[in-house]
Amino acid sequence: GEDVEQSLFLSVREGDSSVINCTYTDSSSTYLYWYKQEPGAGLQLLTYIFSNMDMKQDQRLTVLLNKKDKHLSLRIADTQTGDSAIYFCAESPWTAFTGGGNKLTFGTGTQLKVEL
Amino acid sequence: EPEVTQTPSHQVTQMGQEVILRCVPISNHLYFYWYRQILGQKVEFLVSFYNNEISEKSEIFDDQFSVERPDGSNFTLKIRSTKLEDSAMYFCASSSFTGEYNEQFFGPGTRLTVL
Repeated sequence: GEDVEQSLFLSVREGDSSVINCTYTDSSSTYLYWYKQEPGAGLQLLTYIFSNMDMKQDQRLTVLLNKKDKHLSLRIADTQTGDSAIYFCAESPWTAFTGGGNKLTFGTGTQLKVEL
Repeated sequence: EPEVTQTPSHQVTQMGQEVILRCVPISNHLYFYWYRQILGQKVEFLVSFYNNEISEKSEIFDDQFSVERPDGSNFTLKIRSTKLEDSAMYFCASSSFTGEYNEQFFGPGTRLTVL
C-alpha cells in the first residue's frame, strides 16, 4: 500500500532556510501536498505539486519533486518563529471519475522548531 | 473566510459507549472525509463521502463506525461501541469538485479519549 515517510524533528535558527524531506512509495501518486499544523488548529494546506512538475515556488516556499527517487522536499526561506509547527507531507492519486475527491495518505509529520 | 468546524473539541467517554462526532463542512463543498491521528502516529484516512454515500473507506472503518449527513450542513461520525484504541484526534475535512487538485480543508479536530 501507500506509505509516506518523514523525519520527525528539525531545528533551525531564525533567518536560516529550513528543508523538510519526505519520501513516498505509491507510483500512482499524482498530487503531493504540504500541510501545516499549528497547535490546536487543523491541517492547513501550504502548497501542492502535480507529479509532472519538478519544482514549484510560492513566495518563501519551494517544493522540489524527484519522481525517480520518490522524494519530495519543502524549503522555507528566511524561516521565522511563526513557521514553528508540524509539517505534513501527503499524497493522493487522482481519478477523472471522482474529479479529485480522493483520500490523502500522510506522513508522520515533521516538527519544525525555529530558535532565535 | 469559510472554514470547517468540529464539535466537541474534546470528548471523554467510557469504553463501550457510543459517541457522535460532529462536523460542519464548508457550505458549497461536495466531498467529506474523516481522518484520525492516534497520538504520536500518522494521520490516517477513515472514510470519504460523496453524493450521500460512502465513496471509499479504510480497513479501520469497520462495522463500529458509520457516517451520516443528516441535514444540509452537518456531517457526523458515529462510533457505536468505543474501544480504548479509538482514543485519537479525529479530523473532518471537505473539498469541492474542482476537476483539479484535491484541496481538502480540515477542521481543528475532536480529541476523543476512551477510558
